[in-house]
Amino acid sequence: TQLLEQSPQFLSIQEGENLTVYCNSSSVFSSLQWYRQEPGEGPVLLVTVVTGGEVKKLKRLTFQFGDARKDSSLHITAAQPGDTGLYLCADQGGSEKLVFGKGTKLTVNP
Amino acid sequence: GAGVSQTPSNKVTEKGKYVELRCDPISGHTALYWYRQSLGQGPEFLIYFQGTGAADDSGLPNDRFFAVRPEGSVSTLKIQRTERGDSAVYLCASSPGTIYEQYFGPGTRLTVT
Repeated sequence: TQLLEQSPQFLSIQEGENLTVYCNSSSVFSSLQWYRQEPGEGPVLLVTVVTGGEVKKLKRLTFQFGDARKDSSLHITAAQPGDTGLYLCADQGGSEKLVFGKGTKLTVNP
Repeated sequence: GAGVSQTPSNKVTEKGKYVELRCDPISGHTALYWYRQSLGQGPEFLIYFQGTGAADDSGLPNDRFFAVRPEGSVSTLKIQRTERGDSAVYLCASSPGTIYEQYFGPGTRLTVT
């Protein structure tokens, strides 16, 4: 059974700071996805990465996929209060179901 | 357009009671998924429908849990003889088919007292 570990579990920073959160898998990812979940809402897909070494940018968010396709990082530049939420990584493997990590709960204070 | 909707948004029930949770997927989406998210955890897969049939129910924890999708659209997750450990947020997602993005609803928060 694939296990996804995310770190840190909690992160509280001030507006304007940079941050990085991590996701590590016990096995090679098939298709890595990052989600953000706000309180009372379901997860919303941010990005999908498939190729080892791939880097994708989404405004102030940079997603990096490790060469061995077993780890990933999400870097946020100049964090804003609107970035607050639970950041989840997931693998959509050969089956249809998603396997999620426990998430990193980010709080950006104004 | 309308997203995935789930009703009720909150459900409080007593231990031992029966509950039904409803999911209305995005119109035209053939795939529908149920996940359960306990406090401090990521969502965990329960069951997946392709059309009317359950294609994978390997995540259902025991035979107290059952889900249906009789007309290939709305789905109902049914829990019999609820236990306090069933307390969680139950998320539904839909997609146009497999390997496509899954769109999640806001979830139903179930509390068993």
